[in-house]
Amino acid sequence: AQSVTQLDSHVSVSEGTPVLLRCNYSSSYSPSLFWYVQHPNKGLQLLLKYTSAATLVKGINGFEAEFKKSETSFHLTKPSAHMSDAAEYFCVVSSMIKAAGNKLTFGGGTRVLVKP
Amino acid sequence: DGGITQSPKYLFRKEGQNVTLSCEQNLNHDAMYWYRQDPGQGLRLIYYSQIVNDFQKGDIAEGYSVSREKKESFPLTVTSAQKNPTAFYLCASRSLSPNTGELFFGEGSRLTVL
Repeated sequence: AQSVTQLDSHVSVSEGTPVLLRCNYSSSYSPSLFWYVQHPNKGLQLLLKYTSAATLVKGINGFEAEFKKSETSFHLTKPSAHMSDAAEYFCVVSSMIKAAGNKLTFGGGTRVLVKP
Repeated sequence: DGGITQSPKYLFRKEGQNVTLSCEQNLNHDAMYWYRQDPGQGLRLIYYSQIVNDFQKGDIAEGYSVSREKKESFPLTVTSAQKNPTAFYLCASRSLSPNTGELFFGEGSRLTVL
């Protein structure tokens, strides 16, 4: 079984300040983890992914995430928020195990508001 | 460019009508997925397919049907049995090779029932 919990449904930051989006997961297998961003009325775009290589993962647009197995977390950060970062963000866990049905599980999403 | 194409982007339907949403990918991906997105509810899986001529129900398959006759195509039909079809529909695909597995998404189709 696997699950994903995004701990904040809404996050509000000021432009130029750090952003932290929290994600905890559970998985019976060694998981792959992803962060996606969605702007209004658009599809989801991959920000970054963890697939059992380096635990600190750098993504696009200045985002990065750290995989912490002991804490079962995969939090997303950015040092300095930009107005264009206002969007919804989804944490996703995947087990690439055929026996597990190659299952994907989405978190509930975190909506980010950036104040000028 | 490689990617996923969904059409139409906007669709209006009268109650009692079936509608079909198109999803085509040229990424040579094995698996394809349909998700429904409602405000404040994240993404919910409708159907998925991991191989041609085979597909499985997701969490909210009632009132929907799919086919996978070609690797590139995975159309979704919203039938009149779907009680509340107004939503944003997202199609996605991915390779099932090891060490990959990220989903690639289309731009979505917004269905409104009048």
